[in-house]
Amino acid sequence: QSALTQPASVSGSPGQSITISCTGTSSDVGGYNYVSWYQQHPGKAPKLMIYEVSNRPSGVSNRFSGSKSGNTASLTISGLQAEDEADYYCSSYTSSSTLFGGGTKLTVL
Amino acid sequence: QITLKESGPTLVKPTQTLTLTCTFSGFSLSTSGVGVGWIRQPPGKALEWLALIYWDDDKRYSPSLKSRLTITKDTSKNQVVLTMTNMDPVDTATYYCAHSIPFSSWGQGTLVTVSS
Repeated sequence: QSALTQPASVSGSPGQSITISCTGTSSDVGGYNYVSWYQQHPGKAPKLMIYEVSNRPSGVSNRFSGSKSGNTASLTISGLQAEDEADYYCSSYTSSSTLFGGGTKLTVL
Repeated sequence: QITLKESGPTLVKPTQTLTLTCTFSGFSLSTSGVGVGWIRQPPGKALEWLALIYWDDDKRYSPSLKSRLTITKDTSKNQVVLTMTNMDPVDTATYYCAHSIPFSSWGQGTLVTVSS
């Protein structure tokens, strides 16, 4: 099983919206509604931001939203803030294993 | 409040076996649907899922590392143990344990360096 494919980097200005894609296959992203997104600041543990494609855990800003179309999932962050600058990882849970994406570094300009 | 903490050696020699313990609180690994997983992250690189154990002792392993990994649980101690055999310098990473699927709560991570 290969890692899920994410862009290495994205950037945006404060107040703008950005979208990070996560591409897998019909055996993982496309086959299950178990896509999660994690935010990781330098030197910190990852934090769950989205689960089951589009659900936000309690306490996560509604500026973060998730979606999926076919084998590609997406994380959208609206109203970018400086604190959103971090690495973002997607993950897909299958019946037998879990995959992570290669990570995307978000830079807030 | 759910908390998890990883413990184990910070330095291991090549070919040795690594044993890491995840001690948690705020949930029970005997509750239906609950699981604990291990994830690692080499310095400057991406997250990599390693293993997962469920409340019913069902176990899942990364296909690429399955032959080297063993995950067990001690429900009475609120602990999950991961062993990885035949350690190599490429296994140098921060090792995290995390609650359930999705990984809603994470430990702080422990850096394991493999070097002679």
